[in-house]
Amino acid sequence: DAKTTQPNSMESNEEEPVHLPCNHSTISGTDYIHWYRQLPSQGPEYVIHGLTSNVNNRMASLAIAEDRKSSTLILHRATLRDAAVYYCIPGGGPDRGSTLGRLYFGRGTQLTVWP
Amino acid sequence: DAGVTQSPTHLIKTRGQHVTLRCSPISGHKSVSWYQQVLGQGPQFIFQYYEKEERGRGNFPDRFSARQFPNYSSELNVNALLLGDSALYLCASSLDSWSQETQYFGPGTRLLVL
Repeated sequence: DAKTTQPNSMESNEEEPVHLPCNHSTISGTDYIHWYRQLPSQGPEYVIHGLTSNVNNRMASLAIAEDRKSSTLILHRATLRDAAVYYCIPGGGPDRGSTLGRLYFGRGTQLTVWP
Repeated sequence: DAGVTQSPTHLIKTRGQHVTLRCSPISGHKSVSWYQQVLGQGPQFIFQYYEKEERGRGNFPDRFSARQFPNYSSELNVNALLLGDSALYLCASSLDSWSQETQYFGPGTRLLVL
């Protein structure tokens, strides 16, 4: 499994942009990069995923480095509801048959949002 | 639409006992995965089931077992409970068994072993 490095914690003020970094230098060429978040007392929830190109959805944007060894999750305007642990999870490309359908979580980044 | 549901929400057991946790996936989802989350850590993969067959197992002892029923619901069984089994047990469902498929997690069952 590709190992990831994320900061243990980050802080932001409400309505400011947040950039959550992740290093995944051992990622396979066909691994996707998934981001999930876990709000307090809840199960994880999907945020976004991508392969090579930058991706946008209603929740966030994902910027993927050209060499794919790192990525950044961007929350354009943080709200108090965005306070959560954010997990970066590479995996599941077609040449990693053993990881299909599974997510290997690290410790993630605890995001604190101040009003 | 109902999300992934798990029962019970909380459970207290003593060492050596057996526990069964239940999960109902989102309607139409055929893949169910189980995860264990110890306090302060990320979830750890235990099992994946797809179309009632085990598709993968994480690094957990044989005391852990699971099955998937024809309606795609699933049970996780843990025998001979240890104190270290105290954790939040999460179930996730997805349409198929490909990992680029989004996984939808339930709220979890919090197990305390005394």
